[in-house]
Amino acid sequence: GENVEQHPSTLSVQEGDSAVIKCTYSDSASNYFPWYKQELGKRPQLIIDIRSNVGEKKDQRIAVTLNKTAKHFSLHITETQPEDSAVYFCAATSRGAGSEKLVFGKGMKLTVNP
Amino acid sequence: KAGVTQTPRYLIKTRGQQVTLSCSPISGHRSVSWYQQTPGQGLQFLFEYFSETQRNKGNFPGRFSGRQFSNSRSEMNVSTLELGDSALYLCASSRDARTEAFFGQGTRLTVV
Repeated sequence: GENVEQHPSTLSVQEGDSAVIKCTYSDSASNYFPWYKQELGKRPQLIIDIRSNVGEKKDQRIAVTLNKTAKHFSLHITETQPEDSAVYFCAATSRGAGSEKLVFGKGMKLTVNP
Repeated sequence: KAGVTQTPRYLIKTRGQQVTLSCSPISGHRSVSWYQQTPGQGLQFLFEYFSETQRNKGNFPGRFSGRQFSNSRSEMNVSTLELGDSALYLCASSRDARTEAFFGQGTRLTVV
């Protein structure tokens, strides 16, 4: 079945630095790649997503890149701030027995030190 | 617009018991997915329902089951609870798998 690998599992940066989270997927038919942020004690929330017909997407300080050939996608956060501290999950669609489903990576805990 | 609502928020059960969790999706969303979240394991997919039909199922034992009603509300049931079932159970609703999934606050299940 579909597998989404995410690394690193933890990352600590200084405020103002950049952070990069990388994910790989196994299903070549995957066509939708969302990123979720989960703050401590809260629900995961979508921060950015990208579709397979686009190579890069930006939204203020965050950007996502997709390399379909290599089957990997990355989240880039620039000028990190303490409020960026959270667990970040990548996901990819995968076709199951019936229809597409979202498969998540195991998450990466980002700590931004003031 | 009301978000995804899960009830109850917290549950404590004894090994061997069964439990039912509820999820009310955003109005207009027909897809409801369930995930188990444990430290270090991320969000593990349990199953997905769409228009009252289970469309996808993850790699969980048959003790885990679910259903969806005509109003798209979904329930998840776990029978013969084990200590390892202790986790945060999240549901997410969406129009389909390729659109934003909105998560509920989750139900924290503790099995003692």
